[in-house]
Amino acid sequence: AQSVTQPDIHITVSEGASLELRCNYSYGATPYLFWYVQSPGQGLQLLLKYFSGDTLVQGIKGFEAEFKRSQSSFNLRKPSVHWSDAAEYFCAVGALAGTALIFGKGTTLSVSS
Amino acid sequence: DTGVSQNPRHKITKRGQNVTFRCDPISEHNRLYWYRQTLGQGPEFLTYFQNEAQLEKSRLLSDRFSAERPKGSFSTLEIQRTEQGDSAMYLCASSLADSKSSPLHFGNGTRLTVT
Repeated sequence: AQSVTQPDIHITVSEGASLELRCNYSYGATPYLFWYVQSPGQGLQLLLKYFSGDTLVQGIKGFEAEFKRSQSSFNLRKPSVHWSDAAEYFCAVGALAGTALIFGKGTTLSVSS
Repeated sequence: DTGVSQNPRHKITKRGQNVTFRCDPISEHNRLYWYRQTLGQGPEFLTYFQNEAQLEKSRLLSDRFSAERPKGSFSTLEIQRTEQGDSAMYLCASSLADSKSSPLHFGNGTRLTVT
C-alpha cells in the first residue's frame, strides 16, 4: 500500500538551531516527493519537490531535502531555524501520471527563543 | 497568477443541511483536486478533474458528496444531508498536467462546521 510516514508529531527547536524533519514513504513506482508547509488557517505552500536527478534538492526559505532510495526517506532540513518557520510540515508522494498526492499526517514545528 | 481561490472561507451549517463550496483554480491549470483535512491529520484526497472530466474518486467520497467542473474552469463540491463527521477543512488544489508530476497549488480552504 502507498503511504507516507512522518514519525515526529511535534518538534520544538531553538531559534538558530538546525532542523531535520523525517519522512518515510512506501510507494510501488518511482516516487515523486514533496514537502509542503501550512500555517494556521491557511492552505499548503510548496517548499520543494523531487522528481529525479540530484538527490539533494533545494527549496524556498532556505530548506533542503535529501532523497535516499535505500532508506525510502525524504528528510527535510534547515541549517538555522527562524521563529517564522513555526508551522505544520507535510511530506507527500505522488506518481508521474499526476494522480493525487498522498500526504503524511504532518509534523508541527515550534520554535523557542 | 492570482492563486487558487476558495469560497466561502468558513461555513457553519446544521446537521442535515446541504452545503456547496466553490474553487477557482489558477487559470491555466487543467487539473483540479479536492482534499479534506481534519485536525491533526494530513490532507486526504477526495477527487480530481482533468478539464471537465472527473478522473478519480476516493472511497472517502460517499454518495452524499458530489463534485463538478462543468466548463473545465471552476469547480463545486456539494455535500448533501451534512453530518457532524463532515466537519473539516476542504482544500482545493490545481496543477498543470505535463510529463512530470506537476506540483499542486493549494487554496486557503473552506472550513466547514456542522452543528
